[in-house]
Amino acid sequence: KAGVTQTPRYLIKTRGQQVTLSCSPISGHRSVSWYQQTPGQGLQFLFEYFSETQRNKGNFPGRFSGRQFSNSRSEMNVSTLELGDSALYLCASSAGNYYGYTFGSGTRLTVV
Amino acid sequence: QQPVQSPQAVILREGEDAVINCSSSKALYSVHWYRQKHGEAPVFLMILLKGGEQKGHDKISASFNEKKQQSSLYLTASQLSYSGTYFCGTEIRNTGNQFYFGTGTSLTVIP
Repeated sequence: KAGVTQTPRYLIKTRGQQVTLSCSPISGHRSVSWYQQTPGQGLQFLFEYFSETQRNKGNFPGRFSGRQFSNSRSEMNVSTLELGDSALYLCASSAGNYYGYTFGSGTRLTVV
Repeated sequence: QQPVQSPQAVILREGEDAVINCSSSKALYSVHWYRQKHGEAPVFLMILLKGGEQKGHDKISASFNEKKQQSSLYLTASQLSYSGTYFCGTEIRNTGNQFYFGTGTSLTVIP
């Protein structure tokens, strides 16, 4: 059974640019969540999608957005990048409310 | 709304026991526990619902006190492979079950 796949693994972007990250969940998982991980702030919840609908959203500015497609694949977009957006972005999928999350290996974003 | 974990860091010798605590200021629907090794993604350990004890794998178990909004992770007879950062994750009631990870506990097991 394939795990959660995130692409790309590494990205270097310039301040002001935008970026799109991709996540393919485990087959059959309809819930996809996104997290930002930094040494100072730990794991911060960005948003969760279920069946193409955003079910929950964390406390991030509107520059952070996402979407989920009918095949449960999800994308996350960050516009007008700032230096502080440098982080490891993790995607996780779940089979439902009573199950844990399976994480992908993450995308390491560096903003210069 | 981020749950607080204690201790922040702990160093153990192989075979010793440890307890990691997770405390939330909000009423909780469930608590998850994850372990993250350096350079890797977090790995799910177990989920607890409504004040139950959940036996995990190896010698790791946990409890969830719904009234106190607290959970504890118990690691007995620790092994070198237990080293990593442990996170609790909490689903908060009446918020559409928003999910927040705790502050993390770094656990190092030495021979």
